[in-house]
Amino acid sequence: DTGVSQNPRHKITKRGQNVTFRCDPISEHNRLYWYRQTLGQGPEFLTYFQNEAQLEKSRLLSDRFSAERPKGSFSTLEIQRTEQGDSAMYLCASSLGEWGGQETQYFGPGTRLLVL
Amino acid sequence: DQQVKQNSPSLSVQEGRISILNCDYTNSMFDYFLWYKKYPAEGPTFLISISSIKDKNEDGRFTVFLNKSAKHLSLHIVPSQPGDSAVYFCAATSYSGAGSYQLTFGKGTKLSVIP
Repeated sequence: DTGVSQNPRHKITKRGQNVTFRCDPISEHNRLYWYRQTLGQGPEFLTYFQNEAQLEKSRLLSDRFSAERPKGSFSTLEIQRTEQGDSAMYLCASSLGEWGGQETQYFGPGTRLLVL
Repeated sequence: DQQVKQNSPSLSVQEGRISILNCDYTNSMFDYFLWYKKYPAEGPTFLISISSIKDKNEDGRFTVFLNKSAKHLSLHIVPSQPGDSAVYFCAATSYSGAGSYQLTFGKGTKLSVIP
């Protein structure tokens, strides 16, 4: 399977704990996106990486959230001091971007977070 | 302010008939539009896309139509099959200026195809 993979698929944690999610994009894809989806809503953009550089962050990404893509391959999303409002599906997507080109993003299966 | 709107939360269609899912957008800077299909507990799966320079794109049973003047697009599925039952998301993108082509999604339409 050469699609986008995410781990873990499910995470239950207590309020105040830290959690970390991992995303492995499609191998040749240089662009990686994180989105968050809550019940009844479409996915909302969180942050974007071009290779290892984090080039854009949404205002939704509070200072409790941090993302990395250290070698331009896999990425991690960490949430510190989790709150109940962080409960959501966290989705990773990757794309093969060309400058000025339109691109299709391919999504992973997501990590469902429940904060108790 | 929701820039991509899917005004029908749900749609039921008989197997074999046409399914038409609609989407409206407000941001005239959007230049690429995509439809994704999502099953429960899975990530969105890409279905079909259309560039703003086109008004129609077809792929098998799926056709997307774009009306730029009305800022409206639609997805037609013909013939509809029970396996098409899922939530369909309309998404739009444009270059952000910071390097990304982040997607802006609608809230989705749940399609039920009745055997």
